[in-house]
Amino acid sequence: DAMVIQNPRYQVTQFGKPVTLSCSQTLNHNVMYWYQQKSSQAPKLLFHYYDKDFNNEADTPDNFQSRRPNTSFCFLDIRSPGLGDAAMYLCATSPRTGGTSYEQYFGPGTRLTVT
Amino acid sequence: DQQVKQNSPSLSVQEGRISILNCDYTNSMFDYFLWYKKYPAEGPTFLISISSIKDKNEDGRFTVFLNKSAKHLSLHIVPSQPGDSAVYFCAPQIQGAQKLVFGQGTRLTINP
Repeated sequence: DAMVIQNPRYQVTQFGKPVTLSCSQTLNHNVMYWYQQKSSQAPKLLFHYYDKDFNNEADTPDNFQSRRPNTSFCFLDIRSPGLGDAAMYLCATSPRTGGTSYEQYFGPGTRLTVT
Repeated sequence: DQQVKQNSPSLSVQEGRISILNCDYTNSMFDYFLWYKKYPAEGPTFLISISSIKDKNEDGRFTVFLNKSAKHLSLHIVPSQPGDSAVYFCAPQIQGAQKLVFGQGTRLTINP
């Protein structure tokens, strides 16, 4: 089945220790997104890739970086995690829109704990 | 500035009755509106959508209504089933912007 896969599902890191979350997709979608969702809050878009074009949200902290080495994979790097970065991180994909709107397909998320 | 508001954090409905989830928005540039459903420990899954050129879209037990003048949309589920218990997110989009703006969600509980 075509899908969006996130690894690991649960990640524990220490305060200030860099961590990388990964996302892969078999949908062959052009667009990949990273969201942060804190408890009882709306998912918040951090950035997205339109093919290889990186689009950062204005309020995404510099501590968050992303890489997309190919169509299938996208990584979220948190350079120096703080306690406030503990959250669920959601990866999503979408086909190229070309002016038409398409829904986004989400992975199961990675829950990050910072100790 | 919250562009999308789901004012009911939670809703409890009896099995077999109608569930109505509401969403209000402020950005008049939104032209496509999606509803997502989320179970615990899973990512959101797409449920139903509506374009701004319509005022109603129906898919089985799910119907979404859009009132553009009031900047309000609602999701109706009838009849409600225990498997509908989940968090529901309203997520509008600006055409071509490739970005969704999520509301905070409404936790729906269907009681047997």
